[in-house]
Amino acid sequence: NAGVTQTPKFQVLKTGQSMTLQCAQDMNHNSMYWYRQDPGMGLRLIYYSASEGTTDKGEVPNGYNVSRLNKREFSLRLESAAPSQTSVYFCASSDLRAVDHTGELFFGEGSRLTVL
Amino acid sequence: AQSVTQLDSHVSVSEGTPVLLRCNYSSSYSPSLFWYVQHPNKGLQLLLKYTSAATLVKGINGFEAEFKKSETSFHLTKPSAHMSDAAEYFCVVSDRKANQAGTALIFGKGTTLSVSS
Repeated sequence: NAGVTQTPKFQVLKTGQSMTLQCAQDMNHNSMYWYRQDPGMGLRLIYYSASEGTTDKGEVPNGYNVSRLNKREFSLRLESAAPSQTSVYFCASSDLRAVDHTGELFFGEGSRLTVL
Repeated sequence: AQSVTQLDSHVSVSEGTPVLLRCNYSSSYSPSLFWYVQHPNKGLQLLLKYTSAATLVKGINGFEAEFKKSETSFHLTKPSAHMSDAAEYFCVVSDRKANQAGTALIFGKGTTLSVSS
């Protein structure tokens, strides 16, 4: 019953360093998403992948890249971290056809990133 | 464009008293509406959803919400708060006309519910 698994759970970076957040889901979902959560801002979509082999920008894509490695895995990369990227990052997955009508996303537990 | 507004950033109640978390939405079409809950240091979990069937929707843990089109509201209620209800709650609207499925969900900024004994 793993659901959506994110690694690492915590990370501290210095400005300019790079890192990759990993996400894997075992529910055979087509779609995967990366959100960031900041106090008082709700969740904002960074990138998403509607299906294996496709990725698209969300609301706040600048400074990030993504890779849909296979149906299970969707990674988020910060090439040159900035303090403004200090946030909690959530990966989520869903059935593509369902997301328009049921809206049920399944979330990981989050990755807390601090950029100094 | 669709939007969602959670009217209170923080709500405090005593254990055993009713809970009301308010959400208003703006939509050009018939929306789908959802409430998600986030417990401390956890991911979000779906509480309930409205997708144009019954206007009174029942969810998990005794929560329910009523879709009121005339008031463009989807408030979340629970008759009696429990300590375990302390969490952050997000109202979400689904833009059925979004060109791309990934941009369909619009999150409110969240309401933190505190429950005191």
